[in-house]
Formats: sequence, structure tokens, C-alpha cells
Amino acid sequence: GIQVEQSPPDLILQEGANSTLRCNFSDSVNNLQWFHQNPWGQLINLFYIPSGTKQNGRLSATTVATERYSLLYISSSQTTDSGVYFCAVQIQGAQKLVFGQGTRLTINP
Amino acid sequence: NAGVTQTPKFQVLKTGQSMTLQCAQDMNHEYMSWYRQDPGMGLRLIHYSVGAGITDQGEVPNGYNVSRSTTEDFPLRLLSAAPSQTSVYFCASSYSWHTEAFFGQGTRLTVV
Repeated sequence: GIQVEQSPPDLILQEGANSTLRCNFSDSVNNLQWFHQNPWGQLINLFYIPSGTKQNGRLSATTVATERYSLLYISSSQTTDSGVYFCAVQIQGAQKLVFGQGTRLTINP
Repeated sequence: NAGVTQTPKFQVLKTGQSMTLQCAQDMNHEYMSWYRQDPGMGLRLIHYSVGAGITDQGEVPNGYNVSRSTTEDFPLRLLSAAPSQTSVYFCASSYSWHTEAFFGQGTRLTVV
């Protein structure tokens, strides 16, 4: 099956710093989504981005489908950005999302 | 809109007991799915449904049963609970299988 690798596994930053999270996948996909799991366990959909670039406030994401990777950018980090960020992909013909292992982000005040 | 609602939020079971985790959505989504989340293993798909009356197995279906009699509800049944089923369970829904997914709050299940 498709492999989804996220890096780095852990990231610790000071408030105000910028960060880039990466998601590599091993096959062509027609669906890629980024999620944030907050410290209370809630999963929030950040972006639906099978290709191209999207921005939402301090967050933006870029997916280069031909090179099989996606990047999530977080600028001017806040402590509320802490949590685990997951990338999930869906290959053509498969009706299911496959999740990466996640990147745990800790923003210190 | 309540979105995706899961009940209960916490549950402790004894080995061998059965129970049903409830999931309901009010967004008229066709696609619903169940995941389990274990430490260090991300989310793994248990079962999914592309519409009422249609279900299929995911990555880790053993020990679980599902049915989809209505568009709104997608319950997950544990037939005979085992300690290996101790996990956090998430239900998700989306308009179709390839669109944005929305998750419930999760159910933390402990089997002793």
C-alpha cells in the first residue's frame, strides 16, 4: 500500500518562530488533507489540498503532486499551534484516507 | 449544526464484553468512517461506508462490525472486547470519499 512519511517527527519552537512540516507519499494521490490534533485530542481539518497552494491566516500549504510531497507552513507560531499535525492521502481508485505518523509541534512561550 | 457526534466519550469494558460506539452526523454526508488511534501509530482505518447500506473493511477490521442503515448514523460494534482494542476511536464523515473529512471528538476505550 501507499506509504506516507512525515518529517520531522518532533519539533520544539519558541513563540513567534516559523516552521515547515513535510509529508512525502509513495504513489500518485487524488486527495491530500492536513489535520491538526490539539492537546485535547480534537482533530481539525486544516487544508484539503491535492495540488497547488492554499493559505488560511498564518497557515499555508503547498502540494507538488508530481514530486509526491506536501508542505505545511506555520508562520509566527503561537502556543495554541501546539499539537500533532497529520497528513492524510488517498490514492486513485481507493476510497480511504491513509494517515502519516504525524509531527508533534510544541510551541513554548 | 452539531457536525459529527460520538458517544460515549469514555468507556471501560471488561474482556469479552460487547458494546456499540455511536456516531452521528447532521451534514448529509454520504461517506463515513471509523479510525483507531494508538500511540506512535497514527490513525488506522477500521471500516468505512460510501452510503446507506454499503460498508467495507479498512486496514484493521478484525473484532469490529459496522452497519449503515441511515445516512446519519454509523455505529461501530465491538463483538467481544479484548485488551488489544484499548485505543481512542474516531468517527469521520465527508460529502464524498474524496472530499474534506470532519472528525468527531473521539471515544477513549479501555478494555481490562
